[in-house]
Amino acid sequence: AQKITQTQPGMFVQEKEAVTLDCTYDTSDQSYGLFWYKQPSSGEMIFLIYQGSYDEQNATEGRYSLNFQKARKSANLVISASQLGDSAMYFCAMRDNAQNTGNQFYFGTGTSLTVIP
Amino acid sequence: DGGITQSPKYLFRKEGQNVTLSCEQNLNHDAMYWYRQDPGQGLRLIYYSQIVNDFQKGDIAEGYSVSREKKESFPLTVTSAQKNPTAFYLCASRVQGNSPLHFGNGTRLTVT
Repeated sequence: AQKITQTQPGMFVQEKEAVTLDCTYDTSDQSYGLFWYKQPSSGEMIFLIYQGSYDEQNATEGRYSLNFQKARKSANLVISASQLGDSAMYFCAMRDNAQNTGNQFYFGTGTSLTVIP
Repeated sequence: DGGITQSPKYLFRKEGQNVTLSCEQNLNHDAMYWYRQDPGQGLRLIYYSQIVNDFQKGDIAEGYSVSREKKESFPLTVTSAQKNPTAFYLCASRVQGNSPLHFGNGTRLTVT
């Protein structure tokens, strides 16, 4: 079963505008972690932001914030003041805490973001 | 600087040959992972290792093998049994707890 769902294959945003990338997840664990990664065309995976399932406040890191809605099982990434360098693939990931899976990370299929000048 | 080194960046092999992808980390991380990425898809877990001399299969382990003889190293062998080996391979490591995965720059393998 798909654990992470990203429903937006591609998104466009005007430079300096904000954009929201959607992510929903599926788990029966009470304790889990949610992560967002950026993958530029060069291929490396860059960690952006983390949200723990028990964190009551939404995580923020500079221009990145995570809109965490636990009851809806969503963890959307908000990028404010988009820059041309934000054009990349963005992946949502979840780490579960099940002992028999060695803290596996599950990745979505990604959203391709293009920032338009 | 600490990090994860994958080599080579591009690798070409003939069908039927085994090939080994290198992954070395100097971050002193306990856990290491291998992922495969195909176009339009997310990352799929091949193998992971939480401690030296121990590793577990991920979701798509068939046709792959690994070893973890040293904490710093986690090489992946793509065997001739892997039916569709052409892909982008990413190695990652992390400490335990809530830490994120740290990734290498990847190896793009092409088998013809």
